Amino acid sequence: QVQLQESGPGLVKTSETLSLTCSVSGESISSSSYYWGWVRQPPGKGLEWIGTIYYSGNTYFNPSLKSRVTFSVDPSKNQLSLKLTSVTAADTAVYHCARHGSIMDLYYFRFWGQGTLVTVSS
Amino acid sequence: QTVVTQEPSFSVSPGGTVTLTCGLSFASVSTNYYPSWYQQTPGQAPRTLIYSTNRRSSGVPDRFSGSILGNKAALTITGAQAHDESHYYCMLYMHSGSWVFGGGTKLTVL
Repeated sequence: QVQLQESGPGLVKTSETLSLTCSVSGESISSSSYYWGWVRQPPGKGLEWIGTIYYSGNTYFNPSLKSRVTFSVDPSKNQLSLKLTSVTAADTAVYHCARHGSIMDLYYFRFWGQGTLVTVSS
Repeated sequence: QTVVTQEPSFSVSPGGTVTLTCGLSFASVSTNYYPSWYQQTPGQAPRTLIYSTNRRSSGVPDRFSGSILGNKAALTITGAQAHDESHYYCMLYMHSGSWVFGGGTKLTVL
């Protein structure tokens, strides 16, 4: 069973960079069979797709966040990372990492991390 | 900006049937958008229910089914139970290498 666990600072200052890590167990992030993604949810609001990455480095971003987001993978640690620059209070949210379905059925999220709350404040 | 529309709220009686929908602001939803559905209770991670329009994720009871109804994707819950009270989100693949979630439907069972 695939398990994902997000980690990172719970508080980030306005205009700084939010950095999160997703530790994956039960599946190699280097597998050619899967894409991996990030989704966030502001308090009391709905889900928002941030972006998706393939082990090869191919990335796909939400157009509204594209200029501020970078993804990376660390195969040696089996981890994914997210960086979001120039944060504002609007970036306060629970951030989830997730795995898409198999390469033959990748258009959805199959497994989810529990999520980590990041608060942006001055 | 792409907008995926869902009913903000819906209610169903215990044992009843409810159909939640997922539409697009500028087009009809078809299977080519690979609609998927997720259930989320407060404080929990989303749970995957349906993918590729009508395929149930592992372990999801057959009370949950997906379809295309008219120009929208639909999630039907039959025999609603108290623990089905949750938020339900649809997600569409936009063919530009991007995905968009709907705003979610809060389902009340009473």
